[in-house]
Amino acid sequence: QKEVEQNSGPLSVPEGAIASLNCTYSDRVSQSFFWYRQYSGKSPELIMSIYSNGDKEDGRFTAQLNKASQYVSLLIRDSQPSDSATYLCAVNSGNTPLVFGKGTRLSVIA
Amino acid sequence: DTAVSQTPKYLVTQMGNDKSIKCEQNLGHDTMYWYKQDSKKFLKIMFSYNNKELIINETVPNRFSPKSPDKAHLNLHINSLELGDSAVYFCASSPFVAGSYNEQFFGPGTRLTVL
Repeated sequence: QKEVEQNSGPLSVPEGAIASLNCTYSDRVSQSFFWYRQYSGKSPELIMSIYSNGDKEDGRFTAQLNKASQYVSLLIRDSQPSDSATYLCAVNSGNTPLVFGKGTRLSVIA
Repeated sequence: DTAVSQTPKYLVTQMGNDKSIKCEQNLGHDTMYWYKQDSKKFLKIMFSYNNKELIINETVPNRFSPKSPDKAHLNLHINSLELGDSAVYFCASSPFVAGSYNEQFFGPGTRLTVL
């Protein structure tokens, strides 16, 4: 059974701080890793994808992947109240369905 | 210019009824999906179609039947609705069948409530 684990939170950070969201996965042959943001009552929105070890930066977001440790993280710099949402980690390996974690709820306090 | 659209947005119905949810994507993607998100917000895949062909069919009761008239549309028909079917159903699409770069884009969701 392929699993994707996330701390459900809530993770509370003050405005302007760095929010660090973590995700571990069980399938060693996983190839593609995604972070989705889901506001309450809305659909998941893709914010980052990463496919190789290391860091990938896009604006205030940085995704970090360590395949040896089976670990992927998302850093949000200069956190804003508008970043308050649930962040879903999703992992894909070959011809298998995308597997989602249960999400981490982030609360940015003004 | 909505990328992935679903109708209806809300669906309230009685147990035992049959209902359908429609999904359309204008992204030119080959693959479409149905996901169920339960009250605990866990998002789980139900079905996937690639160019009108069923490629993923997770453990879902056979009361649920997807239909893809063309690669831009994927509908979900549910027979004999049960209380446990209450959830938000999301349609999604992606340019690739599977493997790397399988970035999926979600529709706005259909909140189904079975009374």
